[in-house]
Amino acid sequence: AQRVTQPEKLLSVFKGAPVELKCNYSYSGSPELFWYVQYSRQRLQLLLRHISRESIKGFTADLNKGETSFHLKKPFAQEEDSAMYYCALSGVGGYNKLIFGAGTRLAVHP
Amino acid sequence: GAVVSQHPSWVICKSGTSVKIECRSLDFQATTMFWYRQFPKQSLMLMATSNEGSKATYEQGVEKDKFLINHASLTLSTLTVTSAHPEDSSFYICSATLNEGTQYFGPGTRLLVL
Repeated sequence: AQRVTQPEKLLSVFKGAPVELKCNYSYSGSPELFWYVQYSRQRLQLLLRHISRESIKGFTADLNKGETSFHLKKPFAQEEDSAMYYCALSGVGGYNKLIFGAGTRLAVHP
Repeated sequence: GAVVSQHPSWVICKSGTSVKIECRSLDFQATTMFWYRQFPKQSLMLMATSNEGSKATYEQGVEKDKFLINHASLTLSTLTVTSAHPEDSSFYICSATLNEGTQYFGPGTRLLVL
């Protein structure tokens, strides 16, 4: 079955500390993975996708097919990074449907 | 670019009434629109996939007669919650996709059924 697992509901760090938000997926085909972010009282927005291999706001994520993981990393967290982060898997069925993980709330403290 | 709007942003209705929520892609033509439901402190759950001019595809467990979806044009999809009940109270979010598959999300509509 297709599934996205984000094991941590909450990740709390201090400003300047490294951050790693974990995401594991289960999918038999060729997945496309995304990270979406939702800041307080704002809509969900795309942070990055694995095929573009770009860094957005200092965040990077590498698709590891061997470990079926797509962890989100940032070397130095900022307070403005505090938000809800969702890992999502596409390629399931047609029309680019997304399956979302449960989300991880990142809290960056001063 | 790639802005998606929803209307209304929130709605309160009496049990047994129907509520229509609109989703519009403002600056692009969306080949596909999606409807999600999000309960407090939970993730988004896909309800249905909507393509212009064809019937929506509903996810398992979603009642198609309860949640009517109409996709009249490449920029508009509507979700009608028929005979709403308190358990239908939730946050409903739509998204629209360009051809490359990236989904752009609306701000959501909060529905409260009394």
